[in-house]
Amino acid sequence: SQQGEEDPQALSIQEGENATMNCSYKTSINNLQWYRQNSGRGLVHLILIRSNEREKHSGRLRVTLDTSKKSSSLLITASRAADTASYFCATDAGGGSQGNLIFGKGTKLSVKP
Amino acid sequence: EPEVTQTPSHQVTQMGQEVILRCVPISNHLYFYWYRQILGQKVEFLVSFYNNEISEKSEIFDDQFSVERPDGSNFTLKIRSTKLEDSAMYFCATATVSYNEQFFGPGTRLTVL
Repeated sequence: SQQGEEDPQALSIQEGENATMNCSYKTSINNLQWYRQNSGRGLVHLILIRSNEREKHSGRLRVTLDTSKKSSSLLITASRAADTASYFCATDAGGGSQGNLIFGKGTKLSVKP
Repeated sequence: EPEVTQTPSHQVTQMGQEVILRCVPISNHLYFYWYRQILGQKVEFLVSFYNNEISEKSEIFDDQFSVERPDGSNFTLKIRSTKLEDSAMYFCATATVSYNEQFFGPGTRLTVL
């Protein structure tokens, strides 16, 4: 089964608009993390939300977690052209894992100036 | 700000050759990970390493792969006999504890000819 699947696969918006990306997962988790990846580059950590948290903010980012629905959302407010990137959610494998992350396929966000 | 570094940034090798990818973790981090990303695909977990031994490994991490911390600072991934399908971006990640944020290096692009 797939863990950490994002939707939509691609999202195109105008600068200034909000962007919402969703992530679903299948097994129990300890935490969920969101990462950004610019084309051909490394992964930049954005935010971590623990399983006992429901919402977290960091600057223009807002992340929610609904463990009953096994889903999370990432909201980027007042988007900028520089936000153009792929966004991935990653969950740990839960249980006794050593925190190794399971990534989804990502949402490709394009912000047009 | 401390960051994870990786060398080389790009490695081209012939099939069957051995390669060693190097990572310098953030200094107070204790958990180390290798991931790979085949072009256009998900980021996949390879192996986690803690207290000088492998904690967990995926099915991808077969006998051709090995990891070590040869000098207490570098963290290396060795592929003994590369195959064409090993061509990918390889990311090192480190964390203070297993369920905290993982910080990724910029990656090494491995091309096997």
